[in-house]
Amino acid sequence: EVVMTQSPATLSVSPGERATLSCRASQSVSSNLAWYQQKPGQAPRLLIYGASTRATGIPARFSGSGSGTEFTLTISSLQSEDFAVFYCQQYNNWPQTFGQGTKVEIK
Amino acid sequence: QVQLQESGPGLVKPSETLSLTCPVSGASISSSYWSWIRQSPGKGLEWIGYISNTGSTNYSPSLKSRVTISVDTSKNQFSLRLSSVTAADTAVYYCAGAPRGNWFDPWGQGTLVTVSS
Repeated sequence: EVVMTQSPATLSVSPGERATLSCRASQSVSSNLAWYQQKPGQAPRLLIYGASTRATGIPARFSGSGSGTEFTLTISSLQSEDFAVFYCQQYNNWPQTFGQGTKVEIK
Repeated sequence: QVQLQESGPGLVKPSETLSLTCPVSGASISSSYWSWIRQSPGKGLEWIGYISNTGSTNYSPSLKSRVTISVDTSKNQFSLRLSSVTAADTAVYYCAGAPRGNWFDPWGQGTLVTVSS
């Protein structure tokens, strides 16, 4: 199965700053990648699919890029409600697999 | 707005069968694909399987021998059965919509299932 590796494990960022999260696939997944945000005690929420398409209702400060094996999620200006754990997920190869997550915490 | 909510026992004994249901509101169960995903501290997020709008299923190879996902169109809900559970199956179980079986949206709130005697 495809192994998804996210870095860093934890990212400390001040409100208003930019956050850049990385996700690497062990083999090409084309653009078949999604990003999710999970807050404590809540289910994950879809942010991005197709590597760069924002899901319905997701603010424009969230953007995704990349293809093949290297992907990036960028949060242009962190708001207080954005601090959470973020996961990538590939759906190009069966079975779908998730990364281990990047925690974005307040600096 | 599509909403899902998992229901079922929070405690299951080892070797028994875990059974969860997921009623869907705001959409017809026959209109999309539907998935089960679980999350445990040790293994993170793990896709279990999905059922398509035509009733075909696809399961994770690591769980395939123990998993059944089914649909009840009369109740507009889908279900998960996981047999011969062990402590390793202790996790928060989520049901989710799965457009074309790809990404997952929306998600239910999740339900913790503990396997213990």
